[in-house]
Amino acid sequence: DGGITQSPKYLFRKEGQNVTLSCEQNLNHDAMYWYRQDPGQGLRLIYYSQIVNDFQKGDIAEGYSVSREKKESFPLTVTSAQKNPTAFYLCASSTGQGAETQYFGPGTRLLVL
Amino acid sequence: GQNIDQPTEMTATEGAIVQINCTYQTSGFNGLFWYQQHAGEAPTFLSYNVLDGLEEKGRFSSFLSRSKGYSYLLLKELQMKDSASYLCAALDSNYQLIWGAGTKLIIKP
Repeated sequence: DGGITQSPKYLFRKEGQNVTLSCEQNLNHDAMYWYRQDPGQGLRLIYYSQIVNDFQKGDIAEGYSVSREKKESFPLTVTSAQKNPTAFYLCASSTGQGAETQYFGPGTRLLVL
Repeated sequence: GQNIDQPTEMTATEGAIVQINCTYQTSGFNGLFWYQQHAGEAPTFLSYNVLDGLEEKGRFSSFLSRSKGYSYLLLKELQMKDSASYLCAALDSNYQLIWGAGTKLIIKP
């Protein structure tokens, strides 16, 4: 089955700790995205990548970092600089060609201890 | 600035019809998406409109008026499983999606 997987489903972060959220896709999509979803707000773009070894900041990149070493993988690190990390994190991918549909993974809920 | 407006919550009865409205203001426009999101799950694609008019897909239809910056999602023959949030998102001139906060639809028996 083709799709997008995210792990873990739930993640707990201690103060001052960096944590990494995994996102993998086997859809052969070029573009991948990370969004943050908070109650009562629309999805907000953190980072996106349209091709391997290249990525761009979204609207709320501060306190986050990413890498895109492989086409299939786009991990997101939530650093200690992100002061309010509690949220639902969604990874998405698309073909990367114009007005294409984005397909989402199941999400990771990050909670701060 | 760029903005998407949709109602926060709507309630409807099983078997009825409901229309969820969305207005948008974006820098350029390359189409409008509707997604469905059940609580705690990923958004799933419902429809994409780029030309004016109505697109029908089974029980769900989506309408777009580019001149008015307006879209709606029409759900017919409502079922309990349609209880979810419905997200409207517009594609701007840079092909970035601008998301609304979502409309929570509650279906009552």
